Amino acid sequence: AQSVTQLDSHVSVSEGTPVLLRCNYSSSYSPSLFWYVQHPNKGLQLLLKYTSAATLVKGINGFEAEFKKSETSFHLTKPSAHMSDAAEYFCVTGTSYGKLTFGQGTILTVHP
Amino acid sequence: DAGVIQSPRHEVTEMGQEVTLRCKPISGHNSLFWYRQTMMRGLELLIYFNNNVPIDDSGMPEDRFSAKMPNASFSTLKIQPSEPRDSAVYFCASSRADSGGAHEQYFGPGTRLTVT
Repeated sequence: AQSVTQLDSHVSVSEGTPVLLRCNYSSSYSPSLFWYVQHPNKGLQLLLKYTSAATLVKGINGFEAEFKKSETSFHLTKPSAHMSDAAEYFCVTGTSYGKLTFGQGTILTVHP
Repeated sequence: DAGVIQSPRHEVTEMGQEVTLRCKPISGHNSLFWYRQTMMRGLELLIYFNNNVPIDDSGMPEDRFSAKMPNASFSTLKIQPSEPRDSAVYFCASSRADSGGAHEQYFGPGTRLTVT
């Protein structure tokens, strides 16, 4: 069965510093992987998705993620954090019929 | 496109009452998903439909919960009778999925349910 593990439940950074949110996946074949973001009291928004076309995936708001098969990782990064990036981030894997399996989430706090 | 539409956005009801949540998926999407989110349990998949047919309802908590999708543009999630532990945010999501793999889901704004 496919699954994802988010390695940090909370990450705190200062505004203007890099962001790294870690995610490892478990899959017996080429996975479908996504990152979603949820701002407080809002729905979930797709940041980016991996579809095997390229290992480095660029998403919205300056985020990107790199698929590393050797490490079974799909970490989310951003060069410079902004206050508006404060939210909860979910690493997600997909199965047939589009069913998604969500990680436990990482809460990102951005300090001025 | 207007995105996934959910109604109501907020619902406050008393224990024992029937609650109906509604969802209109994005036009052209053939899969629809109902989720529940709480602080304790996080995001849980309750049920999902493909081409209006329920595929997996193993996440539905108990018989008090039921979901229908009478056509491609409308779905309901009903709780009867409601209990305080049902208080949560309920999300609907839709995607253009097929058996060949997973596609991204688009989420609605959610319905915040409070049962007193």
